[in-house]
Amino acid sequence: GAGVSQSPSNKVTEKGKDVELRCDPISGHTALYWYRQSLGQGLEFLIYFQGNSAPDKSGLPSDRFSAERTGGSVSTLTIQRTQQEDSAVYLCASSLGSLSSEAFFGQGTRLTVV
Amino acid sequence: AQSVSQHNHHVILSEAASLELGCNYSYGGTVNLFWYVQYPGQHLQLLLKYFSGDPLVKGIKGFEAEFIKSKFSFNLRKPSVQWSDTAEYFCAVKALSSARQLTFGSGTQLTVLP
Repeated sequence: GAGVSQSPSNKVTEKGKDVELRCDPISGHTALYWYRQSLGQGLEFLIYFQGNSAPDKSGLPSDRFSAERTGGSVSTLTIQRTQQEDSAVYLCASSLGSLSSEAFFGQGTRLTVV
Repeated sequence: AQSVSQHNHHVILSEAASLELGCNYSYGGTVNLFWYVQYPGQHLQLLLKYFSGDPLVKGIKGFEAEFIKSKFSFNLRKPSVQWSDTAEYFCAVKALSSARQLTFGSGTQLTVLP
């Protein structure tokens, strides 16, 4: 596609429910990142996928958060038993994966836990 | 792990004023450096990047940044700001090591008064 696509753009969920956020990276991009942007905060790194390598999960805030990337393309970020503090904009980015390549961002999914 | 520090959380300028936003990173090895901008209601987009070579890099819309290795800095500058530059600016670093995640600073909100 022309850019990184994320869905849904907005999600309101009840506390305790599970949610899945989807990211379609730019075709051919081997690297994929998930970030969380809270009000007044910067971009908090969550997880990084690069090709077939084991993902860098060092940014996931708790074991309620998980992500997978199927077939080296689409990625899904899952948050189980959502809490109010999970409310944020979740951003996905992709890049060519070479050492010197920029990341392209999607519009994000705004998650509100009520 | 690398980290990025942006010194100014909110900067307010009048049109035609000069701009300098500070960015310092902590990582002893080779890095790629980026400035991203997020205009109101829009997704993050790349303003400029440094990979190697000339430490003074020029980006879109008249922005430039200078990489000073000895100071671990990558400050963003613009000689004369416009109202349309009102946005949030993020500095980011990617360490060229096994951990290639892109780490962002907390961002600087720039407000340009007409």
